[in-house]
Amino acid sequence: AAGVIQSPRHLIKEKRETATLKCYPIPRHDTVYWYQQGPGQDPQFLISFYEKMQSDKGSIPDRFSAQQFSDYHSELNMSSLELGDSALYFCASSRVEGTHGYTFGSGTRLTVV
Amino acid sequence: AQKVTQAQTEISVVEKEDVTLDCVYETRDTTYYLFWYKQPPSGELVFLIRRNSFDEQNEISGRYSWNFQKSTSSFNFTITASQVVDSAVYFCALSDYGGATNKLIFGTGTLLAVQP
Repeated sequence: AAGVIQSPRHLIKEKRETATLKCYPIPRHDTVYWYQQGPGQDPQFLISFYEKMQSDKGSIPDRFSAQQFSDYHSELNMSSLELGDSALYFCASSRVEGTHGYTFGSGTRLTVV
Repeated sequence: AQKVTQAQTEISVVEKEDVTLDCVYETRDTTYYLFWYKQPPSGELVFLIRRNSFDEQNEISGRYSWNFQKSTSSFNFTITASQVVDSAVYFCALSDYGGATNKLIFGTGTLLAVQP
């Protein structure tokens, strides 16, 4: 079965640089979520999109932005990177109706140096 | 406000022992979902179970079992005859039921170490 695809798997950036993370949800899933997991922390909700519109917003810094495109894939753009942005970034997708499957991708490990 | 508490930060057991991971949640919603995820050292979040709030039946899947007690707002997870491969961080999580904003609220996780 198709899973949630995230790219890249690993990313190393320098401070003040920009990073773009991509997420391809499971086909027919209409909702995408982004989570940030710092070292030794639990995942924290950043933002979600339902049918290409932002549906909820969590503790996402103003330096971050995200969108969902017409093919339902989503991108998380992170600018002016700081050392504290080093984390695992997970994307998850679900379908509002039906069995409410909630599947996570393998994550992108971002290291800011 | 929604909150998930996993009071056990770390648990260490010897292989073949049974172990129970505790999860207590708070929510004002009458309908909600509860989840357990496993995060092995490789980092991915592996889905284990989803339970909705109006189904209090306990569930068993192989060596795994879950005890949902709405009266005490708990959703505990038991591993029977633990194995070294069970070593991981286990997260309990809570979400709204229905709607388009089903973000997960995670507990802080329990690190389970199974010694050979």
